Amino acid sequence: GQQLNQSPQSMFIQEGEDVSMNCTSSSIFNTWLWYKQDPGEGPVLLIALYKAGELTSNGRLTAQFGITRKDSFLNISASIPSDVGIYFCAGRGGSQGNLIFGKGTKLSVKP
Amino acid sequence: GAGVSQSPRYKVAKRGQDVALRCDPISGHVSLFWYQQALGQGPEFLTYFQNEAQLDKSGLPSDRFFAERPEGSVSTLKIQRTQQEDSAVYLCASSLWDRGVGTEAFFGQGTRLTVV
Repeated sequence: GQQLNQSPQSMFIQEGEDVSMNCTSSSIFNTWLWYKQDPGEGPVLLIALYKAGELTSNGRLTAQFGITRKDSFLNISASIPSDVGIYFCAGRGGSQGNLIFGKGTKLSVKP
Repeated sequence: GAGVSQSPRYKVAKRGQDVALRCDPISGHVSLFWYQQALGQGPEFLTYFQNEAQLDKSGLPSDRFFAERPEGSVSTLKIQRTQQEDSAVYLCASSLWDRGVGTEAFFGQGTRLTVV
């Protein structure tokens, strides 16, 4: 099935660093969402974006809905150990609520 | 309940066996979605219910997959004659409605199916 292009696939962070990841699609979306998934759990919604150009923050997280409606990015500022996990972007463009997900960005702590 | 509940959490099936996965959505949620998540991948859409009506089953990979939600609440995803490629985490999500601000879906913890 279709999946969005999400990058990077993985990254290592040191506490206090800023993190950036992005997602692109060949299709236009009406909604962009960012989720975090911890091992053995379902995805948890972090930020929802509904309008092209929209910039939304949730604590240390900031996400933007690209003006072309084909891309979105997520920034995490001043990362902390509990930020470790897998982050997924998801887009919705159809008349119903089903989402198309990216393959995920895995955040790990630098050894 | 407080969240979306799925059972069992883990299921090991022998190839060829039938399995049934259950989802209890958040009370009052109209929309219910099933997704399949293979190892190292993002979730992929399987099917969507609005109350008891199955409005979209375009993501079901074959006719061995069947989902129902007879009373518009609990849903069951059934896989007949399981094959190794069916091994994945099956996620259920529910929302008050199907789209719009403030109506995003909440996901359950998933059922991890392993076919041996």
